[in-house]
Amino acid sequence: QVHLQQSGPGLVKPSETLSLTCTVSGGSISSHYWSWIRQPPGKGLEWIGQIYYSGSTNYNPSLKSRVTISVDTSKNQFSLNLNSVSAADTAVYYCARRWSQYTYGYEDNWGQGTLVTVSS
Amino acid sequence: DIQMTQSPSSLSASVGDRVTITCRASLSISTYLNWYQQKPGKAPKLLIHGAYILQSGVPSRFSGSGSGTDFTVTISSLQPEDFATYYCQQSYNSPWTFGQGTKVEIK
Repeated sequence: QVHLQQSGPGLVKPSETLSLTCTVSGGSISSHYWSWIRQPPGKGLEWIGQIYYSGSTNYNPSLKSRVTISVDTSKNQFSLNLNSVSAADTAVYYCARRWSQYTYGYEDNWGQGTLVTVSS
Repeated sequence: DIQMTQSPSSLSASVGDRVTITCRASLSISTYLNWYQQKPGKAPKLLIHGAYILQSGVPSRFSGSGSGTDFTVTISSLQPEDFATYYCQQSYNSPWTFGQGTKVEIK
């Protein structure tokens, strides 16, 4: 069973960059796609983007100008960077494994979630 | 973006009740529809993918149906551990979008 462990700061200042890492264990990152999804407090889920182990990415257009997702296959990790954050980016951020064939896909394994608060 | 609309937003039910939640897509998505269950403070859990395919380990009291724009998830006999929020998600067109959620509460 694949396990995803998230790490990164829970507090980020406005205008700075939010950085989170997801470490995959129990399986290789060199297959499947890997997603980031967020959930503002008390609200619904928003898909941020995904990466394939080869480095190919797909981002939500609503965040594309500020998001970078990267992968380090040697460490079995993938990461999220979201720059120029504001209070609107305060949310629980989840990493997940996305099983995908063409566009058909689903997130079948999730990290524990990280609450990131944007505040000075 | 494809808009996903769930109804109702919340419902109250008793243990043993049959519960149905609906999800409507803003355009046809074939059967590219997933359902997740989320409990407070926890990550979402995949229940159903491809509109009706039960994820491994999910109890058979959960079932999904639908195609095109209208989908449902049904819990045949509600159990105490089923009180949670349920989300649908389309995987037909990126960005993969979610419904706003349906909270199932104890009556």
